[in-house]
Amino acid sequence: QPVLTQPSSHSASSGASVRLTCMLSSGFSVGDFWIRWYQQKPGNPPRFLLYYHSDSNKGQGSGVPSRFSGSNDASANAGILRISGLQPEDEADYYCATWHTNSKTVVFGGGTKLTVL
Amino acid sequence: EVLLVESGGDLVHPGGSLRLSCTASGFTFSSYWMSWVRQAPGKGLEWVANINQDGSEKNYVDSVKGRFTISRDNAENSLYLQMGSLRAEDTAVYYCARENRNWADVFDIWGQGTMATVSS
Repeated sequence: QPVLTQPSSHSASSGASVRLTCMLSSGFSVGDFWIRWYQQKPGNPPRFLLYYHSDSNKGQGSGVPSRFSGSNDASANAGILRISGLQPEDEADYYCATWHTNSKTVVFGGGTKLTVL
Repeated sequence: EVLLVESGGDLVHPGGSLRLSCTASGFTFSSYWMSWVRQAPGKGLEWVANINQDGSEKNYVDSVKGRFTISRDNAENSLYLQMGSLRAEDTAVYYCARENRNWADVFDIWGQGTMATVSS
């Protein structure tokens, strides 16, 4: 099954834009997977943000601002979560996840702790 | 209001057993796949198991196969996780989550979680 690798931490200034990456392991192509993104703040359960497979197959969670968007970077074999106009309340852990059809399992990335300076 | 409420978390000894429950409200429980996802203290999320609408299909992460059993009672709007042969590494907050297979299989609703601690 695929392994999803995320940077353990990332920091950026308020108002800036960030790209959080979710890299698929060798042998798996990001274009073949649907990447889901979740946000988790301390002491709270995760919250679904969005999913991205292609520009024609993507979706936003209920109430999730359009500042959050998804894409793929084929050259890096990675799913991307872009957050524009960073706000202090965006400080959280962000997890990517995907369903692996062959093994019928769900795989989560290790998560990225985003700090808003 | 759409809600998932977990219960049953406790402190148990290694080798012991525990049964977690998740009660759903505000939606047609029997129409959805359901999952358990856990989070060890200070660690990331790990999917544990899922079950289809009528309980005829169940899938597990390798680390719990043969030790954990997922089940559901649609008449009671309830999801369960029977955990056996527990190990210290099973210590975690266990979340139940609704899988929305009409919407890219996302986990669109999560409970608040219940803590299971395995320690002597």
